[in-house]
Order: sequence, then C-alpha cells, then structure tokens
Amino acid sequence: GENVEQHPSTLSVQEGDSAVIKCTYSDSASNYFPWYKQELGKRPQLIIDIRSNVGEKKDQRIAVTLNKTAKHFSLHITETQPEDSAVYFCAASNTGNQFYFGTGTSLTVIP
Amino acid sequence: DTGVSQDPRHKITKRGQNVTFRCDPISEHNRLYWYRQTLGQGPEFLTYFQNEAQLEKSRLLSDRFSAERPKGSFSTLEIQRTEQGDSAMYLCASSAPGLATGNIQYFGAGTRLSVL
Repeated sequence: GENVEQHPSTLSVQEGDSAVIKCTYSDSASNYFPWYKQELGKRPQLIIDIRSNVGEKKDQRIAVTLNKTAKHFSLHITETQPEDSAVYFCAASNTGNQFYFGTGTSLTVIP
Repeated sequence: DTGVSQDPRHKITKRGQNVTFRCDPISEHNRLYWYRQTLGQGPEFLTYFQNEAQLEKSRLLSDRFSAERPKGSFSTLEIQRTEQGDSAMYLCASSAPGLATGNIQYFGAGTRLSVL
C-alpha cells in the first residue's frame, strides 16, 4: 500500500516568514495530493490540492509543488500570519479511492 | 447545515460494550469515508463506500468493526466489544467524484470515543 511521510513534525516561524512542509509518497499510482489544515478540536479542512498532471499550484499565500519523479510534494506558505498556526496534513490518493495521510506538521507562527 | 454531520460528538463507554456512530454526508456526495484519528497522528483510513457499496476496507478494520450505508445516504460505523485501544476520534468524510468538486473530501466534526 501507499506510505506517506511528512516532515517536519513541528515548525515555528516568525510572523511574515515563509513555512515549508514536505511529504514523500511511495505508490507511483497516486495521482491526487491534498493538503489539510486542522485547528485544535476542529475538523480537517482542505486548503489546497494538486493533481499529478500539474507541477505547481498557487492560491494567494499558499502554493503546492509536486515532483512525480522523486515522489515528493511540498506546501509553501508565504507571509505567515498567527492564524496560520495549526496542524497541517498532506495526503495521497489514487483517483479518490483510499486516502493516505501524513503524520502532520504542527505549525506555530510567532507574532 | 449542508456539511457532513456526525452523531454523537462524544461517546464514553465501558470496555466490552458496543457503540454505533452515524454519519450524514453532503447530500449529493456518493462517496463516504471513515477514518480514525488518534492524538498527534493523521487520519487513518478505515473504509469507504461508493453509494451503498463498501469498496475498500483497511486491515486496521478488525472483525469487531462493521460499517454500513444501506441506502447510499447516511452511514453507520459499529464497534463491538470495545477495547481501550479503540479510544480515538472517528472522522467521516464525503466526496463527489462526478461533480466539479471531484475528489475533494469534506470532513465531519468527528465522534470522539473514550473507552473506560
């Protein structure tokens, strides 16, 4: 089955700096890669996703890059704000069947 | 509320008891997923349905766990003879691959199970 690894497990940045979270996956059949933000006690919410036919996708301060050859994808958050503080999860899926999640990155943005 | 809803939000039970959770997906979503999440971990896939058909089951899903989606709408997850290791947040999600939202999963708020 698929194995998704996520690093780092914790990340602290100063407000205004950038944050980068990296994930690797093992199954070359995976073709859909969403990122979720989960605030304490709340449900995971999709923040951005990317499909395997695209190398990069951007939505305001958030971007995701995908390297299919190396089987890794990354989340980039620029101009971080305190409200970006949360746990972020990456996931990999083959056409929306099973989803395999990383172990999460706890991001703290220091004002 | 047009989102995914789960009931109950919290369940406390004694070891050995049976529990049942319910998930109501977004109405036009034909896929429904169950996950288990423990503290500090990502959601672990348990099973998913396409309409009323259960298409995948994780090996995490022992024979004490059973899930149904009898009419292709709401789903139930039952855990029989609960063990302390079953304590976790049980999350439900739904998606609609045939619609514009595609594979995007929308999560419910979860049911937190505590087994004493």
